Amino acid sequence: ELKVEQNPLFLSMQEGKNYTIYCNYSTTSDRLYWYRQDPGKSLESLFVLLSNGAVKQEGRLMASLDTKARLSTLHITAAVHDLSATYFCAVDIFGGSNYKLTFGKGTLLTVNP
Amino acid sequence: GAVVSQHPSWVICKSGTSVKIECRSLDFQATTMFWYRQFPKQSLMLMATSNEGSKATYEQGVEKDKFLINHASLTLSTLTVTSAHPEDSSFYICSVPGQVLNQPQHFGDGTRLSIL
Repeated sequence: ELKVEQNPLFLSMQEGKNYTIYCNYSTTSDRLYWYRQDPGKSLESLFVLLSNGAVKQEGRLMASLDTKARLSTLHITAAVHDLSATYFCAVDIFGGSNYKLTFGKGTLLTVNP
Repeated sequence: GAVVSQHPSWVICKSGTSVKIECRSLDFQATTMFWYRQFPKQSLMLMATSNEGSKATYEQGVEKDKFLINHASLTLSTLTVTSAHPEDSSFYICSVPGQVLNQPQHFGDGTRLSIL
């Protein structure tokens, strides 16, 4: 059974600071996604990481993937309040006849002024 | 614009009633759609894979007779929660696979179901 573990689950940080969210998964996969969820809302796709060493950046967020270590990171640079949300990583595994996503538990990020 | 349309966005109903949630793919035909459930402050859990023209594939522990899925056309999948009870209260989200392999799934806005 695929397990996807995120840490930390809760992250409170000050504006302007840097931090990294980690996502470990237990089964070989070459497809990893990061999503953002605002309270009461659905998911917004942030990054798609498809190969070992992949690095994607958008604004203050940067995601990377190490398939050998089965580890992805989401790095936050100089955090701002607007980044406050829950961040999920998800791993895509082929099972049966389709690819299926398994999500981590999510990291609730609160950026304080 | 939106790729997936999900309705209704919010439902409050009495225990014992059945509730139908619709998920429409707006931009392209989808032979597969996914249904997820998310309890408060928890992650998304895949409930089932909806397959156009055939039976849905349910995840382990999901009651197929309670959560009826119909994928009658290439743009519409419905989830019916039958005889709903308070423990079925949750946030239900559908998604459509990316049109190209390796694209992320497109998620609907979700349906918040509250059973009194």
